[in-house]
Amino acid sequence: KNQVEQSPQSLIILEGKNCTLQCNYTVSPFSNLRWYKQDTGRGPVSLTIMTFSENTKSNGRYTATLDADTKQSSLHITASQLSDSASYICVVRGSNYQLIWGAGTKLIIKP
Amino acid sequence: DADVTQTPRNRITKTGKRIMLECSQTKGHDRMYWYRQDPGLGLQLIYYSFDVKDINKGEISDGYSVSRQAQAKFSLSLESAIPNQTALYFCATSDSGLAGVYEQFFGPGTRLTVL
Repeated sequence: KNQVEQSPQSLIILEGKNCTLQCNYTVSPFSNLRWYKQDTGRGPVSLTIMTFSENTKSNGRYTATLDADTKQSSLHITASQLSDSASYICVVRGSNYQLIWGAGTKLIIKP
Repeated sequence: DADVTQTPRNRITKTGKRIMLECSQTKGHDRMYWYRQDPGLGLQLIYYSFDVKDINKGEISDGYSVSRQAQAKFSLSLESAIPNQTALYFCATSDSGLAGVYEQFFGPGTRLTVL
């Protein structure tokens, strides 16, 4: 069964600290993996996309990694800011345009 | 101005009522989608449309119907609302670009409560 599992479910860190969010998937065949950020009360917004051949991609303070062999991805946030408080969702695209959405990690940044 | 708009933003209705959620986009995208989001779950696809004459069921289409009135408009109807349809509903659009690489752009969501 195609699944995307994210951990932790929620995370609280202090402003300025780093954190890493995890995404494990069992989607096959794999097309690509995208990370979205969803602010409370808003729709998700794409942060980055990872294709099969990419291991690392950065977008400002966000760095995503992909290990296609172990079917794992991570999103690392450096020097967190209060505005990083949001849910982060991992989405994997399989065959025939099918998208498998993770449940997300809720990140809270405390001052 | 927002690229993808949804109306209403909030709606409270009673069991058995018919309601319509509307979505409009100014991004010029061909593809439009309706999702629902429940606490602790990933987004679930209800219906999607790749162009005006194309309508497809998603994972959880039972109890819902859609209409693609124009390239820019895609509405979702609940024919007879029931309490377990209480959720946050999102409309999204995407370009038809390179297969599998296109990004989805989401509206602000409609919070629906069925009493």
